[in-house]
Amino acid sequence: DTGVSQDPRHKITKRGQNVTFRCDPISEHNRLYWYRQTLGQGPEFLTYFQNEAQLEKSRLLSDRFSAERPKGSFSTLEIQRTEQGDSAMYLCASSLGVGEAFFGQGTRLTVV
Amino acid sequence: ILNVEQSPQSLHVQEGDSTNFTCSFPSSNFYALHWYRWETAKSPEALFVMTLNGDEKKKGRISATLNTKEGYSYLYIKGSQPEDSATYLCALIQGAQKLVFGQGTRLTINP
Repeated sequence: DTGVSQDPRHKITKRGQNVTFRCDPISEHNRLYWYRQTLGQGPEFLTYFQNEAQLEKSRLLSDRFSAERPKGSFSTLEIQRTEQGDSAMYLCASSLGVGEAFFGQGTRLTVV
Repeated sequence: ILNVEQSPQSLHVQEGDSTNFTCSFPSSNFYALHWYRWETAKSPEALFVMTLNGDEKKKGRISATLNTKEGYSYLYIKGSQPEDSATYLCALIQGAQKLVFGQGTRLTINP
């Protein structure tokens, strides 16, 4: 297993467009997290899954954000009608239960 | 909203000096505390996972302690080296739920 992978690494989109990011976790990991990180800040929790179940979504997250993890394997994060404030690094991490989290390289989103 | 507070936000240390920084968190319903190191242009990597009050963990020149009753953890770096320059993140799990990160302490080692 090569670790957690995220695709794409970079995405530039026009305001108002929809974008979708993919995360492939470490295969035996049952937990998958999505975070957003802006300059100088720590990772901000967005949502997490245990297997295919989405257990929590941040109350700070608007309805334009949605995530799925069909079959408890890879996950997608979709942002609809992107805004300039959505520009950030989106990080995915996976773990076995509450053990250490392993992070992907992130997807850097720029909304112009 | 779960508040995980780290201090200081940034720190400059002379090479060879030792340093430490703090992570504070709500003590209720504690489950686990993680420490991560995040180097520029890389992904965060775990240093320690701590679960028991009084836990002390060590990896080389880096060590950490945990006090779950008062809600704090310290990370210590002995004899700082330039390669220690990074952002150090702590993260809390309450009640076996989500992993929530603090803002991080940005450490710069001056040669």
